Order: sequence, then structure tokens, then C-alpha cells
Amino acid sequence: EPEVTQTPSHQVTQMGQEVILRCVPISNHLYFYWYRQILGQKVEFLVSFYNNEISEKSEIFDDQFSVERPDGSNFTLKIRSTKLEDSAMYFCASRPRVTGGSDNEAFFGQGTRLTVV
Amino acid sequence: AQSVTQLDSHVSVSEGTPVLLRCNYSSSYSPSLFWYVQHPNKGLQLLLKYTSAATLVKGINGFEAEFKKSETSFHLTKPSAHMSDAAEYFCVVSAQWFGNEKLTFGTGTRLTIIP
Repeated sequence: EPEVTQTPSHQVTQMGQEVILRCVPISNHLYFYWYRQILGQKVEFLVSFYNNEISEKSEIFDDQFSVERPDGSNFTLKIRSTKLEDSAMYFCASRPRVTGGSDNEAFFGQGTRLTVV
Repeated sequence: AQSVTQLDSHVSVSEGTPVLLRCNYSSSYSPSLFWYVQHPNKGLQLLLKYTSAATLVKGINGFEAEFKKSETSFHLTKPSAHMSDAAEYFCVVSAQWFGNEKLTFGTGTRLTIIP
């Protein structure tokens, strides 16, 4: 069964450093997302990506964040200068479509736990 | 705009008894609704989904949910709880309208199973 793959599973970084979280979505999917979950809190939307551009982003997704789909298979989230409060589990997701029908669910990766020290 | 309210942050049931996890939604457009489960230190797994077909939806592991438009609800049920059901459950809404494809999560319900 196809799945969304995220690497690394755990990343520890020093405050102020840049990190890149990597995701390989399911190959025929069109919509891509990043979500995060701070420990003990709800799952928060960061950004959605379609047709090689950001389609929607949340208030969390400020200038420190960027996304890229550099080669048609990988989907990356970059945090330029990490802060302590960026420590969270980051989930990548992909969907084949978003309108009505039987195949519009999002498939989530296992997550990358980012720890900023 | 869309939102999800999970009415209980924590539910405890005894093994073998029914499970009810409550979810109410708000959406400006016809919604797609999902339940995801997250086991400790694991990712998010789809349990079931409603996408404007049958209002009673059956999912994996014996779970089912009923879409009730009049009540704007999508409660998750299971007739008999198993120890392996202990996890965090998220109700998720997505508007069925191109250009508004964001998934909005509820705050989650932690299900505890008492042996």
C-alpha cells in the first residue's frame, strides 16, 4: 500500500539553526500539507501546496518557514532560524483530490519530531 | 470557514463496553469528514471518512460514524471496546469546495480502556 514517508524521524537542532524536514508524498497525489503538533496540544495546520505553489498558509507559517517541491517527488519544509517554540511533531500529508468523491482523504506520514535546544 | 468541536477531551470505558466519541462540525460548504487515530508515538491513521455518500460510515477495527446534517454531528462509535483502542482520536473536517481544501482538526479525544 502506498504511503507518505518522512525523514528524519527525529531531529535535534540548536536554536538559530536551519532545519529541513523531508517528505515523499504518494506519487499520484496533487495536494500536499504540513501540520504540526506541539506536545500535548492539537494538530495545527501550517501550509497547503498545490500546482507548485502555496495555496493556503496559517498565521504560524511566517517568514521563517518555507516549502518546496524541488524535484517532483520530495516535499520539504524549511525552518530558517529555529526557535525553542518550534519544537513539535511535524506531519506531512498528501491527498489525491479535495472535492467530493470516495478518494479525497489525506494520507499522513509518521511525523518528524523536531527538538530545538 | 470550517471548525470542529470534540466535546470530550478524555473518555474512559471498560473493555467490552460501547465507545462514543462526539464530534460537531461547522462548514460553509458541503463537508468531508474524517476520523483519524493516533497511537502513542505513532503517526495519524485514517479510521473512516464521510464524503457525501452513505451517512453511516464503517471504518477499520469495528468503528463506525454517522453523519447527521441536521445536528451537524459526526460521532464515532464502536459496540465493544478493546484494549488496543486506547489512543487519541481526531475528528477532521474539509470543505468540499475547490480552493478551500484545508483539513481542520478537532482538539482530540483521548480514549482510555479500563481492563
